[in-house]
Amino acid sequence: DAGVIQSPRHEVTEMGQEVTLRCKPISGHNSLFWYRQTMMRGLELLIYFNNNVPIDDSGMPEDRFSAKMPNASFSTLKIQPSEPRDSAVYFCASSLAASGRNEQFFGPGTRLTVL
Amino acid sequence: DAKTTQPPSMDCAEGRAANLPCNHSTISGNEYVYWYRQIHSQGPQYIIHGLKNNETNEMASLIITEDRKSSTLILPHATLRDTAVYYCIVSSSGTYKYIFGTGTRLKVLA
Repeated sequence: DAGVIQSPRHEVTEMGQEVTLRCKPISGHNSLFWYRQTMMRGLELLIYFNNNVPIDDSGMPEDRFSAKMPNASFSTLKIQPSEPRDSAVYFCASSLAASGRNEQFFGPGTRLTVL
Repeated sequence: DAKTTQPPSMDCAEGRAANLPCNHSTISGNEYVYWYRQIHSQGPQYIIHGLKNNETNEMASLIITEDRKSSTLILPHATLRDTAVYYCIVSSSGTYKYIFGTGTRLKVLA
């Protein structure tokens, strides 16, 4: 298995630019998560999809952030416009939610730097 | 979801067992204990989980006390590659939300 795939691995952009992060979950998984990690706040859940439908987006910091999952094998997290405080590592994770098992498998992350 | 408390850091000699404790005194009956680790700059990696019985897999063992208020992750023969931040999380099977605390930074010493 290829695991969760994220692209790009590194992104450097200037304030005000649009940023799109991409994620391919593990084949067959029905749940997808976007997390953000910073030194100050640790790992935070941004949004959770189940069967391609957004279930909980309460962690999305503000309207500048949006996420989509057009099909079971692809998701995007978009920031428009980006700001320096959005600099962080963004992780995508997927899982096959089933009774007693909901371990999440994380991708390698995208390190975003907004100048 | 119940909160967890872990020591901020621990050292362990290479080849020895690493015992990482976690307190989850407010855990409820349907909540599982999950352990993940994060090696520098990588995504968190699932290690093991359990409900009330002790569990063992190829990576580690999980010991959960009878009252389920605490647990210990055991790495039986720690190697330098086990140096990482270890997170203990409690989550019910019907929910998806993990609350990552600050974890325990384990340093394995040569």
